Amino acid sequence: DAGVTQSPTHLIKTRGQQVTLRCSPKSGHDTVSWYQQALGQGPQFIFQYYEEEERQRGNFPDRFSGHQFPNYSSELNVNALLLGDSALYLCASSLTGDEQYFGPGTRLTVT
Amino acid sequence: GENVEQHPSTLSVQEGDSAVIKCTYSDSASNYFPWYKQELGKRPQLIIDIRSNVGEKKDQRIAVTLNKTAKHFSLHITETQPEDSAVYFCAANDIDYKLSFGAGTTVTVRA
Repeated sequence: DAGVTQSPTHLIKTRGQQVTLRCSPKSGHDTVSWYQQALGQGPQFIFQYYEEEERQRGNFPDRFSGHQFPNYSSELNVNALLLGDSALYLCASSLTGDEQYFGPGTRLTVT
Repeated sequence: GENVEQHPSTLSVQEGDSAVIKCTYSDSASNYFPWYKQELGKRPQLIIDIRSNVGEKKDQRIAVTLNKTAKHFSLHITETQPEDSAVYFCAANDIDYKLSFGAGTTVTVRA
């Protein structure tokens, strides 16, 4: 039984560029949440996808957008990258939203 | 929205002693309180959780207590071992299972 997977592991981008991060949920899970974790801080909620729709959103600008596919996998897109977007991006999967299990994360560096 | 505060930020204990981490939350509607352990460079790992209809839950050397009236919950680790050294995060849910995290506690177990 595969756990939550994310790709890529690491990514380096330049300011102003766009990035797409991917997440495959744990088998049997239908909900994907995305979090941003800055160094030395707790994860901050970006948004959650359920039934291919954004169910809830945190305090992140519209530059952050996402998508969920029929197989429950999900993408996080960030446009017009800023230096402050450098962080570990984590996705967490769950069944209906409860008991969230995290993937290994994507380390994004914006230069 | 939910605001979670966590104390202490760092905790050093002698191997075999107990460790206690405390969290408070602001939203009285929160009803799910997970704890995560994050080792350096790894994903947050769900170690235990508690729901609002339960006051205490134990799993081997770890236990969590919840006081809904006071809006605080705590993690207790007994008989600490070197492998317990990590950053621990508490969290509380919002509507639709959005999780708000505390700032984390760095636990160091001295041999």
